[in-house]
Amino acid sequence: GENVEQHPSTLSVQEGDSAVIKCTYSDSASNYFPWYKQELGKRPQLIIDIRSNVGEKKDQRIAVTLNKTAKHFSLHITETQPEDSAVYFCAATPRLGSNYKLTFGKGTLLTVNP
Amino acid sequence: SAVISQKPSRDICQRGTSLTIQCQVDSQVTMMFWYRQQPGQSLTLIATANQGSEATYESGFVIDKFPISRPNLTFSTLTVSNMSPEDSSIYLCSVATEKLFFGSGTQLSVL
Repeated sequence: GENVEQHPSTLSVQEGDSAVIKCTYSDSASNYFPWYKQELGKRPQLIIDIRSNVGEKKDQRIAVTLNKTAKHFSLHITETQPEDSAVYFCAATPRLGSNYKLTFGKGTLLTVNP
Repeated sequence: SAVISQKPSRDICQRGTSLTIQCQVDSQVTMMFWYRQQPGQSLTLIATANQGSEATYESGFVIDKFPISRPNLTFSTLTVSNMSPEDSSIYLCSVATEKLFFGSGTQLSVL
């Protein structure tokens, strides 16, 4: 099955700096890659996703890049703010029809220091 | 996105007892899943809740321990049976429309 590795496990940045979280996956059939943000005590929230026919996607301060050849994808957050502090999870799935059997990375605890 | 409600939001249970968690969605959805998040860990898929048929369990999870019901396209339950402290986790239902969304979660502590 799919295996997703996520790095780093913790990341501390100063407010205004950029943050980058990287994930690699093992199943070359995977074609959908979402990112979730989970604040303490809350549910994971989908913040951005990318499909394998796209190399990069951006939404305001958040961007995701995908390299299918190398089987890795990354989350980029620019101009970080304290409210960006949370655990971020990457995930991957070889989508079969409508079956989203996501495999998640272990998560990255991002701390943005004011 | 769908509105997904779970209850209870948290519970403290005694070893050997069972707890049933309910998940209600505000619209009909085909794909509904149950995930477990152990303390400080990632999300692990327990099973796919199939409407009108038995749930499909992932490796390491069995129906006797985690029976699931899915009577219609808006509702599902997960029961955690014969609980032990190792079952202390957050349990999350999720639904797949164009994307995967999570319910509010149930934080379970087993003493």
